[in-house]
Parts: sequence; C-alpha cells; structure tokens
Amino acid sequence: GQNIDQPTEMTATEGAIVQINCTYQTSGFNGLFWYQQHAGEAPTFLSYNVLDGLEEKGRFSSFLSRSKGYSYLLLKELQMKDSASYLCAVRDSNYQLIWGAGTKLIIKP
Amino acid sequence: DGGITQSPKYLFRKEGQNVTLSCEQNLNHDAMYWYRQDPGQGLRLIYYSQIVNDFQKGDIAEGYSVSREKKESFPLTVTSAQKNPTAFYLCASSIGGTGSEPQHFGDGTRLSIL
Repeated sequence: GQNIDQPTEMTATEGAIVQINCTYQTSGFNGLFWYQQHAGEAPTFLSYNVLDGLEEKGRFSSFLSRSKGYSYLLLKELQMKDSASYLCAVRDSNYQLIWGAGTKLIIKP
Repeated sequence: DGGITQSPKYLFRKEGQNVTLSCEQNLNHDAMYWYRQDPGQGLRLIYYSQIVNDFQKGDIAEGYSVSREKKESFPLTVTSAQKNPTAFYLCASSIGGTGSEPQHFGDGTRLSIL
C-alpha cells in the first residue's frame, strides 16, 4: 500500500529553527508538496520538490531525497503565526496526491 | 479576487437526507477535486474531475456523487448511503494534474449529523 509518515506533533520556540520530516512509500513518484493548514482553514501551498536537493523560499526550505523516500520542511526564525499543521503530499504514478496525516507544530514564546 | 468558494461553511444533515456542498472557482482551472479530512488522518480523495462533463472516483467515493456541468462548478452530494458523513470537506482545483502546479483549496465545509 501507499504510505506517508510524518510526526504527529512537534513543539518549538519562537525565533528558533524546526525541521519536519516526511517519509513516503508510494507507487511511483511525480513530485512532493508541502502545505500549511491553520486549524479549521484551507491548506495553503508552501513548496514543491521533484528533483533531489533543497528548495529555498524565504524562511521556509524543503529538501528531497528520492532514493531514501524522504523529505523535510525547514522553518527558520519561527514566528507565533507559524503554529499550524504541515501536510506532506506525494504525487504517485497515477498523478494522484497521497497525503500524510500532517504534523501539528506548536510554537512557544 | 480569484479563488475557490465553498458553501455553506457549516452544514447539518438529518438521517436519510441528501445534502449538497457547493464549490465554485474563478481561477479558470481545468481540474477540480473533493477531499474529506478526518482528525488524525490525511486528506482522502472522494472524486475528481479533469475536464467538464467528466469525473472519476477517488479512494472513498461510496455514498457520494458529483457533477461537472460547468468548468467553474463541482458540487458534491453526500447521500444517505454515506453512513459516517461527519467530516471536514475540502474542494480544490488546479491548472492540470501532472506538473508542478499545486492544488488550491477552498475554506471547507464542516458537515455534522443532527
């Protein structure tokens, strides 16, 4: 079967750096997406990786290793508004998105 | 402003009742999707449509139905056959479905049983 694993919850301090990991086993791979979702709201797109390596977008970076079935989202200079769930999704061989359950990130002052 | 509009925000269903969730987009996207989100689980695909007048079942289509008569609209009906409909329903759209273009989401409809 297809599977996306993420930690259920993480806690970090305002101003610090946090890394959220995502491992996947899917039938084929056609890209990996990271989304942010505040409670009760719509997911919003953060990043996309299809080749190995690091993609940087301001305070957020995302890394992919296809051979290891592994990605991480790196958030720098954490702000209170970064408290949210972070969803990892992989596009499989049928171009469907397979979603992880999300990682709830709690930021403490 | 371009975006995806879902309505209503909250919906209550009685036993044996069908209810319809609305999803409208003005992004000129070809592809549209319906997901169900339950606590502690990833988004699960109910139905998707790549083009007008065509749609495909997702992983959990039983008890649901859709139509795609217009490019902008992709309503979801939760039928009485869906025995556990309480969930957060998300509609999404994308330009296509094979490249780097992300899916864009509406604000969701929370459905509960009365």
